[in-house]
Formats: sequence, C-alpha cells, structure tokens
Amino acid sequence: EVQLVESGGDLVQPGGSLRLSCAASGLMFSGYDMNWVRQAPGKGLEWVSFISSSGYTIYYANSVKGRFTISRDNAKNTLFLQMNSLTADDTALYYCASDRSVSGSRTYGYWGQGTLVTVSS
Amino acid sequence: DIQLTQSPSFLSASVGDRVTITCRASQGISSYLAWYQQKPGKAPKLLIYAASTLQSGVPSRFSGSGAGTEFTLTISSLQPEDFATYYCQQLEAFGPGTKVDIK
Repeated sequence: EVQLVESGGDLVQPGGSLRLSCAASGLMFSGYDMNWVRQAPGKGLEWVSFISSSGYTIYYANSVKGRFTISRDNAKNTLFLQMNSLTADDTALYYCASDRSVSGSRTYGYWGQGTLVTVSS
Repeated sequence: DIQLTQSPSFLSASVGDRVTITCRASQGISSYLAWYQQKPGKAPKLLIYAASTLQSGVPSRFSGSGAGTEFTLTISSLQPEDFATYYCQQLEAFGPGTKVDIK
C-alpha cells in the first residue's frame, strides 16, 4: 500500500520559515515525480511545486517562486518543502502528491493526508 | 498559463440521478485533463486521467469525455458516497471545484 505522510506544519509568524517533509513508502519513490499542492481553509486546490524523479527538473507556482524550495532525498524516500518569508496567504493544508505513473503523467495519483501551516501573529 | 473553469460550481442532486460536470480550458489541451473527488477532511482522489481513462479501482458509474477545451465528468447514477467536491486539473492548473450536495 502506498503511503505518503507529511509533517512539519505548524503555527508560524509572518516572515517566518518552515520545512515540510513527506515520507513515502509502498512505491519506488525514486521513480516518481512529486508535487506539493495546498488548500487554504474552505478553498480549492492550488498546485505549489513540482520536482522530477531525479530532482533535476523543478517548477514553482508564481505565488511561491523565490520563497519556497522543493527538494528530495531518494535514498531516504523523502520529499521536502522549505518555506521562507511566509505570509498569511500561505496558510493552508499542504499535501504531497506523487505522479500517477513512473512515466510522468503530471496527474496526481497518490496523496498524503496533509500538514497544516498557519501563518499568523 | 492555462485557466480552467467549472460549471456548475454547486449542484444539488438525489441518489440515482445522472450528474454532469463541465470543465473548460482557456486554450486547447488535447486530452490532458484529470478529474479528482474530494470529500470533507480527506485528500483528493484521482478518478479519471487523460480525459476519459478510469483510474484503477474507481467505480464504472464515473466517466469522462472531451478534448480540446471542453470536458465533462459524468456520474451515471449518483450514490450516497459520491456527495463530494470535484476538481478538474491540467498540469499546474486546477479548476475551482464543483460541490455535489444532497437534494
């Protein structure tokens, strides 16, 4: 069974930083592209960042570009999101989501349960 | 960037009803569209990819169609467990969602 388990969410002040992690099991992690997708309270889904299976290709949403950094450790089956200069607009439940396929379909086949980031003073 | 719109944004239906949700893209995207179901407090679940291919394990009452700029998700006979919010997606874009509620 595939499991993606996010951690690291917390209450942080505006301007602060957080590092989210997503531990994967039950899939060949190194073969899958990975993503972070967020959902603000009561709102829809917003894609945040993409990293290819090798880690060489990375994309960011304009809303987080220059502030967030995605990375992965394929030896430890773990995905990361370093979040800096946080604002209230970053308050959301952050999901990690794997591609549906090792061939890279840019669809999200597996999801974690999410980790909550709250930015507030 | 591609924008996705969905209609309706909300619909009220009864068990057994046939339900259709539409997703429109701001430019042609061939068949590169997926549909997700999200229930309250849960992560989204992939239902359909490549516009019409059913993800493994998804009931056959769900179907997808379309290409280019207009796509539909159809539930042939709505079941109690289908009351949820549905999102379309293409690359980094998600539609705003359609909430299906009980009439």
